Amino acid sequence: AQTVTQSQPEMSVQEAETVTLSCTYDTSESDYYLFWYKQPPSRQMILVIRQEAYKQQNATENRFSVNFQKAAKSFSLKISDSQLGDAAMYFCAYVWETSGSRLTFGEGTQLTVNP
Amino acid sequence: KAGVTQTPRYLIKTRGQQVTLSCSPISGHRSVSWYQQTPGQGLQFLFEYFSETQRNKGNFPGRFSGRQFSNSRSEMNVSTLELGDSALYLCASSSEGGKYGYTFGSGTRLTVV
Repeated sequence: AQTVTQSQPEMSVQEAETVTLSCTYDTSESDYYLFWYKQPPSRQMILVIRQEAYKQQNATENRFSVNFQKAAKSFSLKISDSQLGDAAMYFCAYVWETSGSRLTFGEGTQLTVNP
Repeated sequence: KAGVTQTPRYLIKTRGQQVTLSCSPISGHRSVSWYQQTPGQGLQFLFEYFSETQRNKGNFPGRFSGRQFSNSRSEMNVSTLELGDSALYLCASSSEGGKYGYTFGSGTRLTVV
């Protein structure tokens, strides 16, 4: 079965500090795409960062970066210089080439940013 | 450009009734997917429509159905509502399918009483 596991239900970080959210996945597919989505209280899921499995280089988007370890099936998200607006539920997700468009999500990690 | 618009934002229905939720994707996006989000089950894929055809379907009973119109707007219908159908229903659109990531709407919060 294709699964995504986020082992940290809750995390907290001090403003301006760095935090890393963990994600592991299980797949037998070779061609897939990984994502981190953020869901603030407004409920809208916002795409934070995307990684193509065939690319070895880790994706970065401003203060957000990933550590993609394909052999270990690990895809962690690092948030640098945390801001109060980063507080949200974060979901790791992936889609594989033959799944069409079906995103498989992890359980989520609730991130609190303390001032 | 305008984002994904879902209506209504909130809905309260009685067991046994049916409900229709609406989703207008980003202009030019032909793929629309629906997800159910609950505290217990998390985010689960319902179905995806592409150019008016259902392209992918999740493991939900036949009470859950959908359709897509020629302008890419999509509707989701749930018949014979059960208490367990209470959830946040999210719609997402994409121009090329899931591998480039989806843009989500703010969801419809359905409460079944």
